[in-house]
Amino acid sequence: AQSVTQLDSHVSVSEGTPVLLRCNYSSSYSPSLFWYVQHPNKGLQLLLKYTSAATLVKGINGFEAEFKKSETSFHLTKPSAHMSDAAEYFCVVTMNQAGTALIFGKGTTLSVSS
Amino acid sequence: KAGVTQTPRYLIKTRGQQVTLSCSPISGHRSVSWYQQTPGQGLQFLFEYFSETQRNKGNFPGRFSGRQFSNSRSEMNVSTLELGDSALYLCASRQGTAAQETQYFGPGTRLLVL
Repeated sequence: AQSVTQLDSHVSVSEGTPVLLRCNYSSSYSPSLFWYVQHPNKGLQLLLKYTSAATLVKGINGFEAEFKKSETSFHLTKPSAHMSDAAEYFCVVTMNQAGTALIFGKGTTLSVSS
Repeated sequence: KAGVTQTPRYLIKTRGQQVTLSCSPISGHRSVSWYQQTPGQGLQFLFEYFSETQRNKGNFPGRFSGRQFSNSRSEMNVSTLELGDSALYLCASRQGTAAQETQYFGPGTRLLVL
């Protein structure tokens, strides 16, 4: 069965410092992986996705993630945090090869201080 | 293009009542999925529809049902509401059904059951 684990429920960084949000997955096939962001009272927005084309995936707003099959990880990084990055981040894996559903991690709340 | 729209945005119901939520996908998108978001359980898949047919269903009781119309608009219905049904209900659409296709989320309908 597919599953995804976000290793930190809350991450705090200072503005201008790097961001690392950790995600491990379990999958019986080559999965599609996504990172979504949810700002307060707003919908979910796609940051980036991995679909087997390249292991290093670049997304919006300077975020990127690296797919590491040997470590079953898909960590999200950003070189320099901005105040506007404060939000909840979800690591997501497709439920099956047909992609009929998404399985969400529990989420990581990112706080950015000035 | 207009994004995914959901109506109503907020609802208050009492136990035992039923409720119908509506979702209009992005123009041209034929797949609509529904998710429930609660603080305790996080984001959980309810069901997906494509071309008026349910493709997959999550682990929810039969009180939760849905349908899709020929114009791809979708509704979900919850009968005999329980307090635990209080949640943010999110709808997502995508053009087809390939696993790597991005799902675009609406702002959600916040349901409060008293």
